[in-house]
Amino acid sequence: KAGVTQTPRYLIKTRGQQVTLSCSPISGHRSVSWYQQTPGQGLQFLFEYFSETQRNKGNFPGRFSGRQFSNSRSEMNVSTLELGDSALYLCASSSGGVSEGYTFGSGTRLTVV
Amino acid sequence: GQQLNQSPQSMFIQEGEDVSMNCTSSSIFNTWLWYKQDPGEGPVLLIALYKAGELTSNGRLTAQFGITRKDSFLNISASIPSDVGIYFCAGQGSGTYKYIFGTGTRLKVLA
Repeated sequence: KAGVTQTPRYLIKTRGQQVTLSCSPISGHRSVSWYQQTPGQGLQFLFEYFSETQRNKGNFPGRFSGRQFSNSRSEMNVSTLELGDSALYLCASSSGGVSEGYTFGSGTRLTVV
Repeated sequence: GQQLNQSPQSMFIQEGEDVSMNCTSSSIFNTWLWYKQDPGEGPVLLIALYKAGELTSNGRLTAQFGITRKDSFLNISASIPSDVGIYFCAGQGSGTYKYIFGTGTRLKVLA
């Protein structure tokens, strides 16, 4: 079956702009989690959605937001981009049960200039 | 944000050698996962552990869920060049669906 699909793969934005990233989970998976990966900070949890509801949230400013649609596809949005937002943004899906492992997408590489 | 401590941070080894890495936490976890990430790709799940003391293998990889539930270990036997990458542990505590990731161990294999 198809894996987790993230679009776009690469993105260059200017400081102050906003950006929307998309994630299509594995068919049948209802949970989508987003992580930010930077060389210095590793994988940092942003938020998790399950059945269109945000179930968990990490310690990121309100500029980072997300949503999930009825077909389980998810988007995350970053407003007023800062240089420090440059990172690989990873989306992971699972069936949503406790102890279920994630399947990650290939990520979106965001560069803010 | 909260992270798990992984060690070593990086290691160079000769092809054919065995590799050991570990992950420690100040919190108790109910589930431990081990992932490998290749350059430019997302992490891929290698092994999942669900019970304290559990030992699970996947080919040349063996992982253990520590008895204290605050640590986990990954061993790779007879390393090969394609083992190169970053290995991450991830833990999930009780009452939460999110995973906390380790800082990663970067493995380089010399042929």
